[in-house]
Amino acid sequence: DAGITQSPRHKVTETGTPVTLRCHQTENHRYMYWYRQDPGHGLRLIHYSYGVKDTDKGEVSDGYSVSRSKTEDFLLTLESATSSQTSVYFCAARRGERNTEAFFGQGTRLTVV
Amino acid sequence: QKEVEQDPGPLSVPEGAIVSLNCTYSNSAFQYFMWYRQYSRKGPELLMYTYSSGNKEDGRFTAQVDKSSKYISLFIRDSQPSDSATYLCAPMDSNYQLIWGAGTKLIIKP
Repeated sequence: DAGITQSPRHKVTETGTPVTLRCHQTENHRYMYWYRQDPGHGLRLIHYSYGVKDTDKGEVSDGYSVSRSKTEDFLLTLESATSSQTSVYFCAARRGERNTEAFFGQGTRLTVV
Repeated sequence: QKEVEQDPGPLSVPEGAIVSLNCTYSNSAFQYFMWYRQYSRKGPELLMYTYSSGNKEDGRFTAQVDKSSKYISLFIRDSQPSDSATYLCAPMDSNYQLIWGAGTKLIIKP
């Protein structure tokens, strides 16, 4: 599993509630990413981090925020969940910016009802 | 228009067949081209990558890039049921971000 652990693995939540997904890595990778995967769209970047407290937006960042207070942890928060945020969320990590290999977690299946 | 286009499939072939998976892209600045494999309900894993144009072989897998036509291919020889997965192409842009295709679902029938 390349040392990337996501929690929870499954979650059902109600519209309007905040939700936090956690990604934990054990390999000291500098770069971490949050993606969502939906049929027909592939992986779309939500936010990424290039170091502790250093984050930037991806292509689908609206309605999401992130935090990285430690190298090993990258949190994704849905501030007020909507049904359009029902998706599978993947965390990934890369050792360096130019590394071709990204290591992925197992994914979190989120359903907003 | 998406930067990376990939036929979602599914592509169903008999065991032992040669499989060809393809992507097209629009950004001529892409230099690194990755192929990831994703099994059902798992995260993607890097299969192989190529730099610029040309071929790269790794066992039964061959990755090919034609930058003149902006065309990326992955060939699988002697396909096995264990190759059944979704294959995602992912070029790297000039900001070192991976730009993902939608993935092609491959089914190898025993």
